[in-house]
Amino acid sequence: GAGVSQSPSNKVTEKGKDVELRCDPISGHTALYWYRQSLGQGLEFLIYFQGNSAPDKSGLPSDRFSAERTGGSVSTLTIQRTQQEDSAVYLCASSLVSPELFFGEGSRLTVL
Amino acid sequence: EDQVTQSPEALRLQEGESSSLNCSYTVSGLRGLFWYRQDPGKGPEFLFTLYSAGEEKEKERLKATLTKKESFLHITAPKPEDSATYLCAFRGGATNKLIFGTGTLLAVQP
Repeated sequence: GAGVSQSPSNKVTEKGKDVELRCDPISGHTALYWYRQSLGQGLEFLIYFQGNSAPDKSGLPSDRFSAERTGGSVSTLTIQRTQQEDSAVYLCASSLVSPELFFGEGSRLTVL
Repeated sequence: EDQVTQSPEALRLQEGESSSLNCSYTVSGLRGLFWYRQDPGKGPEFLFTLYSAGEEKEKERLKATLTKKESFLHITAPKPEDSATYLCAFRGGATNKLIFGTGTLLAVQP
């Protein structure tokens, strides 16, 4: 597709389970971002990948959160031992050199 | 600490009633001030980038302006389809990450 693709669109899990969220960026985009948006809140930065450089992980809220980007394309955000406060919409965005970010529609995570 | 504050949190306008949204920022080494639009259940959509005080950008009924402390998103003669949450964000210092404000929820009634 032409846009950023995220899956799953909705995920319901039980507290303590691990979840994986996937992001397929726009082809050729070198930068990839993950953000989290809680109900009624702004976007919270999580992690940023740029080409082959070391990722900026400064926004990850705890060591239960991790992300990887394989082959400079697809990225997976993993949340281990999920907690109820992890419930949110997780948004992925990609870009070229310009600061214009193209966002996916997000993965809505609900932790029961 | 670098930060951005948006006001008002919510704004209700009648169709055709012009207004402005505010984004106040405190950023060391600003490398761009950005405006995005977000519709319910969707990811944000890019609108404008501003780099220096005095700069202005326009698109249809929207105009974004920038001073050394604030950015405004002016909406002229809005229509119901302009209803959305408007987010501002900045890039500052040595990082390429964008830091977002909490947004202004705009409702335009016919």
